[in-house]
Amino acid sequence: ETGVTQSPTHLIKTRGQQVTLRCSSQSGHNTVSWYQQALGQGPQFIFQYYREEENGRGNFPPRFSGLQFPNYSSELNVNALELDDSALYLCASSWGEGKETQYFGPGTRLLVL
Amino acid sequence: AQSVTQLDSHVSVSEGTPVLLRCNYSSSYSPSLFWYVQHPNKGLQLLLKYTSAATLVKGINGFEAEFKKSETSFHLTKPSAHMSDAAEYFCVVSDYQFYFGTGTSLTVIP
Repeated sequence: ETGVTQSPTHLIKTRGQQVTLRCSSQSGHNTVSWYQQALGQGPQFIFQYYREEENGRGNFPPRFSGLQFPNYSSELNVNALELDDSALYLCASSWGEGKETQYFGPGTRLLVL
Repeated sequence: AQSVTQLDSHVSVSEGTPVLLRCNYSSSYSPSLFWYVQHPNKGLQLLLKYTSAATLVKGINGFEAEFKKSETSFHLTKPSAHMSDAAEYFCVVSDYQFYFGTGTSLTVIP
């Protein structure tokens, strides 16, 4: 059984650019959630995808968007990058929506200059 | 609305002494509660989960947590700290999304 994987591990972008982060869910899981973890903070919920549909969204602007594919892998896209978008982006997968245990990937560290 | 308050941002203990990391939660209904650990430059690892089956929950690596509804608390404990326990610990309350606390940094002194 493979765990949650994310790519790339590190990324450097400049302000105004666009970025795509990728996540492969754990085998058998159909739900993916994305979180932003700023330095020294707890992760903040961005959105969740369940069976390819957005299933909930946190307090993030529309320039944060996502996709889930038929194999339940997922992408997080961020347009018009701002300096404050610098953070660790975590993907988590689970079976079903709701209060199920979420299993986290190692994260993608994004630096915006 | 769901929220979590971790009462200590930093905790230091000596190796071999007990660990107590405190967490209070707010939830409009019966919550699921979790503790996760994050080692430096690593992802989040599940320590344990409460889902109303039992108020005392045992997790990995000797950790356990007790759900106290009257106190809206879910404190994490371990009888004897090990050097490898040094990490950041997050308490989480869940409906369909996870609400994380701000974390407690545990230092273990040799």
